[in-house]
Amino acid sequence: AQSVSQHNHHVILSEAASLELGCNYSYGGTVNLFWYVQYPGQHLQLLLKYFSGDPLVKGIKGFEAEFIKSKFSFNLRKPSVQWSDTAEYFCAVDTGRRALTFGSGTRLQVQP
Amino acid sequence: GAGVSQSPSNKVTEKGKDVELRCDPISGHTALYWYRQSLGQGLEFLIYFQGNSAPDKSGLPSDRFSAERTGGSVSTLTIQRTQQEDSAVYLCASSPRTSGGIRNEQFFGPGTRLTVL
Repeated sequence: AQSVSQHNHHVILSEAASLELGCNYSYGGTVNLFWYVQYPGQHLQLLLKYFSGDPLVKGIKGFEAEFIKSKFSFNLRKPSVQWSDTAEYFCAVDTGRRALTFGSGTRLQVQP
Repeated sequence: GAGVSQSPSNKVTEKGKDVELRCDPISGHTALYWYRQSLGQGLEFLIYFQGNSAPDKSGLPSDRFSAERTGGSVSTLTIQRTQQEDSAVYLCASSPRTSGGIRNEQFFGPGTRLTVL
């Protein structure tokens, strides 16, 4: 069965620092990839998605992610984080077989 | 338009009682999903409905869990004889009709926080 690994469980950064959150999945076939974000007290919402084409995907709020097929990775990046980016971030994989498979999440805390 | 709604937002129940959680998907979305999010964990898939097809129940943790979707819209997740380990946030999501096997993004509701005492 497919799985998704997010190795960073809790990340603490200062404002303006650069961010990279790791996401690796285990599935050999075609995948669709997602990053979701959950701000404190809010719904899960889509940050960005990759279906096909350019492996560098840009999402909302200055986030981007790069799909590297050979590494089974879809890391999330942001050049300069803000306090408002404090949230929990979930990577998810869709293999077309059923619902999304989510990673365990990374809690990001940005200190002003 | 309106997003996915869930009710109740919070539910506290005693061990052994049955509970029903409701999900109203976005109008026109044919796919509906239930997930469970336990403290410090990711989202655990429970069940998936796609149109009129038989639901994928492969994620249900035990036979105490069941779900139905009436008229291709509203869904109810029922947990019978609740246990303390059932305490979690139950999330519902919906997505538009899939095309050629490619799925669209899922839109999530606010969740129902279930506490079993």
